[in-house]
Amino acid sequence: QSALTQPRSVSGSPGQSVTISCTGTSSDVGGYNYVSWYQQHPGKAPKVMIYDVNKRPSGVPDRFSGSKSGNTASLTISGLQAEDEADYYCCSYAGSYTFHWVFGGGTKLTVL
Amino acid sequence: QVQLVESGGGVVQPGRSLRLSCAASGFTLSSYVMHWVRQAPGKGLEWVAVTSHDGSNKYYADSVKGRFTISRDNSKNTLYLQINSLRAEDTAVYYCARVSLPHYDYVWGSLDIDYWGQGTLVTVSS
Repeated sequence: QSALTQPRSVSGSPGQSVTISCTGTSSDVGGYNYVSWYQQHPGKAPKVMIYDVNKRPSGVPDRFSGSKSGNTASLTISGLQAEDEADYYCCSYAGSYTFHWVFGGGTKLTVL
Repeated sequence: QVQLVESGGGVVQPGRSLRLSCAASGFTLSSYVMHWVRQAPGKGLEWVAVTSHDGSNKYYADSVKGRFTISRDNSKNTLYLQINSLRAEDTAVYYCARVSLPHYDYVWGSLDIDYWGQGTLVTVSS
């Protein structure tokens, strides 16, 4: 159960787009369409932004989108806004004989 | 409104035990799969354990298997995490979390968590 690999940090200016990658293996990201993305502001509980690779919960702006290719999933945030500055975590189902999930190490998004 | 309120954290010596509780309100706990997720200070999220809506199925991260036990008392609307043989690396904020869909609509594998508790801090220190 190794953590998924995310860049430590990304940055962008307001209005720009950024993409955060999440690399796993064929046993997790590549094997299932169960990748989710969580946003976490300091001192707060996480909030789901994307689930099942590319589904957006109600209330999440359509500026947030998810995709997957092979063993790498991506979260794209377009039209960056100041309030998007936060930590972002990907998570993938990784079970085969037993149910379990694995998170990425997290990416700090800075809005310049 | 839906609320999850954790309790039971604190400072504990290595090797000791602790039971965390998560009181649910505003929804029927017995209808939902529930998770525990933890976060060490300044670190990332780590999935810990999950229980089916009726407690009949429970699964754990390798890092806690054999030491942690997830359970639930749906009649008391409460989720639990029993933590035994505490280690320094168990120091973290522990969150309970609810998946968005009731069990009859939920697809195992999906991790669409719509509600989290505020977290309870467990500090393992001598």
